[in-house]
Amino acid sequence: EVQLVESGGGLVQPGGSLRLSCAASGFTFSDHYMDWVRQAPGKGLEWVGRTRNRLHSYTTEYAASVKGRFTVSRDDSTNSFYLQMNSLQTEDTAVYFCARGAFCSSSRCPGPFDYWGRGTLVTVSS
Amino acid sequence: DIQMTQFPSTLSASVGDRVTITCRASQSISGELAWYQQKPGEAPKVLIYDASTLKSGVPLRFSGSRSGTEFTLTISSLQPGDSATYYCQQYNSYSLTFGGGTKVEIK
Repeated sequence: EVQLVESGGGLVQPGGSLRLSCAASGFTFSDHYMDWVRQAPGKGLEWVGRTRNRLHSYTTEYAASVKGRFTVSRDDSTNSFYLQMNSLQTEDTAVYFCARGAFCSSSRCPGPFDYWGRGTLVTVSS
Repeated sequence: DIQMTQFPSTLSASVGDRVTITCRASQSISGELAWYQQKPGEAPKVLIYDASTLKSGVPLRFSGSRSGTEFTLTISSLQPGDSATYYCQQYNSYSLTFGGGTKVEIK
């Protein structure tokens, strides 16, 4: 059974940092892209960032709203996925979901998020 | 970034009604679009991907279609458990984007 479990959320002051983790199990983690998606209270879904798999040199992509402040990374040896968030702003307050992206064994791998974690709440407030 | 315009933002329908939600992409995304269902307090679940492929286990009353850059999610006969918010998402570009969501309520 595929499982994604986020942790690391909490209350942080504006300008602060936080690191989220996602523990994956039940599938071959190293084969998949991995993504972070967030949802501000009462709002819609916003894609945050992605790390591709080893085949694609673990390259990353970011939403414009977080580029330069957030960093995604992964550790295939422990099936873990991370989101380092720096210079946090009040508008970063949201539930952060870890999501499994495409299985990728070729040059281009478009695909939906087929499994999601339950999310972890990040609150940025003074 | 590719913008996804989703409408309506809310709709109210009766059990058994046919319901249609539309998503329009600001540029071509081929058929690289998914539809998700999200219930309060839960993570989203993918219903349809590649515009019209039903994910295994999703009821057959859900279907997706495409006409150019316009995509449609149809629920052929609305059921009480379909009360949720639905999102489209394109995965054609490096920067992934979601539509604004459609909240479906049961009358």
